[in-house]
Amino acid sequence: KNEVEQSPQNLTAQEGEFITINCSYSVGISALHWLQQHPGGGIVSLFMLSSGKKKHGRLIATINIQEKHSSLHITASHPRDSAVYICAVRDKGGSEKLVFGKGTKLTVNP
Amino acid sequence: DVKVTQSSRYLVKRTGEKVFLECVQDMDHENMFWYRQDPGLGLRLIYFSYDVKMKEKGDIPEGYSVSREKKERFSLILESASTNQTSMYLCASSLWGQEQFFGPGTRLTVL
Repeated sequence: KNEVEQSPQNLTAQEGEFITINCSYSVGISALHWLQQHPGGGIVSLFMLSSGKKKHGRLIATINIQEKHSSLHITASHPRDSAVYICAVRDKGGSEKLVFGKGTKLTVNP
Repeated sequence: DVKVTQSSRYLVKRTGEKVFLECVQDMDHENMFWYRQDPGLGLRLIYFSYDVKMKEKGDIPEGYSVSREKKERFSLILESASTNQTSMYLCASSLWGQEQFFGPGTRLTVL
């Protein structure tokens, strides 16, 4: 079974800083997801990627399949980016099940 | 926009009660999921359904059952609620191979 590790667990930044959150997994995957959870519970899918890089606004996600590693970057961070960011992977083999990391809690101070 | 709704945001039940959590999605997704989320443990899959009347156990199915009689609706049932089932319950849906869309969550407290 895949194991997903995220780092750091907690991250505090000043507004405007460049943020990087890392995710490593142990077994080959068909896709990796980055999710965002704000206080109050709602989870939103940010990216789904299986290779390369994707960008949406100030968010960039990259994945290195050979190294089994992905990063989520936030440029020009803002207090509204404060949330828990969760990495999840879908194993090869056609299953729709996801294996989740424990999340990274980001706090951006003004 | 895909919308996934859950029947309650907050629920308080007593030990031994039968509890129903309902999830409805409006985008004709084949797949539906029930997760629970606990501090320090992250999201864990309870049950998964890939079609009407079809279900598959997740990582922690003990103490739970599910029902999917219609494509848009997936119910989680706690046959006899216990205090260790106090948690945040999240429903999600997806098309095959695509991203999952999550509901707002139900925070269940069992006294």
